[in-house]
Amino acid sequence: DVKVTQSSRYLVKRTGEKVFLECVQDMDHENMFWYRQDPGLGLRLIYFSYDVKMKEKGDIPEGYSVSREKKERFSLILESASTNQTSMYLCASTLTGSYNEQFFGPGTRLTVL
Amino acid sequence: AQKITQTQPGMFVQEKEAVTLDCTYDTSDPSYGLFWYKQPSSGEMIFLIYQGSYDQQNATEGRYSLNFQKARKSANLVISASQLGDSAMYFCAMREGPGNEKLTFGTGTRLTIIP
Repeated sequence: DVKVTQSSRYLVKRTGEKVFLECVQDMDHENMFWYRQDPGLGLRLIYFSYDVKMKEKGDIPEGYSVSREKKERFSLILESASTNQTSMYLCASTLTGSYNEQFFGPGTRLTVL
Repeated sequence: AQKITQTQPGMFVQEKEAVTLDCTYDTSDPSYGLFWYKQPSSGEMIFLIYQGSYDQQNATEGRYSLNFQKARKSANLVISASQLGDSAMYFCAMREGPGNEKLTFGTGTRLTIIP
């Protein structure tokens, strides 16, 4: 069974804290993605990575950074969390190829107080 | 301009009826793919169905079919014989161009099946 796991389902942090969200996939996928999901806005791409140590900005990268040191792991970092980063964060991965769907993790609901 | 538009924020459908969820898209690339995902209240995103821009036939997967009208740039999801377990958020998404792995999502439709 293919699997994408995320380090936490729920997380509560304080404004200004550094926050790490971890994502691991066991499918040997080249591509990994971080989205945030907000009501009425759908899923918006924050960052993605198409190979180890490679990354590209998505549509809303401001306030976030990422790290991909190993193929199976993709981390999202909030350097200094703010209340407007309270959201659901979803990680996904996919093989390279037009017909391949993205596989999603269960999501992390982050609350910044 | 929105690349993916889902105009129905919410829908209520009687159990066992068929339901159509609307999706229109905007791209100038001749090569693209369209995806539908289901998100139950548990939060996981479940892939349902895929349609490629060059596919000659509409995609089908069990009770799910995709009504692909290329000239109208629409890719509506049809669920036949709806069940209570179909209650969820549904997202349409598009991948544009060869070699591009990114998806652009619509804002979603919340479907509620009424017993």
